Amino acid sequence: EVQLVESGGDLVQPGGSLRLSCAASVSTFSDYSMNWVRQAPGKGLEWVSYISGSGATVYYADSVKGRFTISRDNVKNAVYLQMNSLRDEDTAVYYCAKGRSSGRFDFDCWGQGTLVTVSS
Amino acid sequence: EIVLTQSPGTLSLSPGERATLTCRASQIFSSSYLAWYQQKPGQAPRLLIYGASNRATGIPDRFSGSGSGTDFTLTISRLEPEDFAVYYCQQYDYSPFTFGPGTKVEIK
Repeated sequence: EVQLVESGGDLVQPGGSLRLSCAASVSTFSDYSMNWVRQAPGKGLEWVSYISGSGATVYYADSVKGRFTISRDNVKNAVYLQMNSLRDEDTAVYYCAKGRSSGRFDFDCWGQGTLVTVSS
Repeated sequence: EIVLTQSPGTLSLSPGERATLTCRASQIFSSSYLAWYQQKPGQAPRLLIYGASNRATGIPDRFSGSGSGTDFTLTISRLEPEDFAVYYCQQYDYSPFTFGPGTKVEIK
C-alpha cells in the first residue's frame, strides 16, 4: 500500500516562495503519476498540477500556471511543488495524490496534507 | 473548463436510509472519467467510485455510481454512521480536472 507524506507548508508573505515535498513509501514510484490538489479553508477541492511517472509530462491549472512548478525525484521517491509569486488566494491545504493508473487523473491515494498560509 | 454542479448542497438523513447524490456537468464528457470521493472533517479525501460506476478497492457495496453524458448519481443504499461526510464528484476527461462543490450528508 502506498503512503504519502507531505511537508513544507508554512506562513509566507504575498509574493514569496515555498517548496512543498511529498514522500512516497512505495517500491516502484516511477510507475505512478502524481498530482497536487488543494483545498482552501472551508472550501472544495481544486486540482493544481500533474506529473507523469517519468516526469516528462506535466500539467497545471490556469490559476497557478507560470507560478508553480511540479517535479519529481524517482530515486528519492518524492514529488515537489515549487510555488513562487504566492497570492492570498493560494492559501490552502495542499494534498499530494497518486493517480489511480497510468494516464488517468483520478486519485486513489492521498497524503494528509500540508497547510500553506499566504498573509502579510 | 467543465463545471460540475452537485445537488443537494446538504442532505439530512437518518442511519439506515438511502442517500441519492447528483452531479451535473456543464458539457458532455465520457462516463469513463467520472469519480466520487468522500471526505470527513480533518481528513484527506478518499476515492469511492471511478469510471462512474466502479468501486475503488475496499469500498463497501452499499456505495454505487451510475450515469452518463452530463448527469451522474452516487447512491448509498443504507447509511452507516461512518458515511456522514462530504462527497465530491470529479471529472478527469478534460484538463483542468474539476471537482464539484460537494454534497454534505448530515445526520438528521
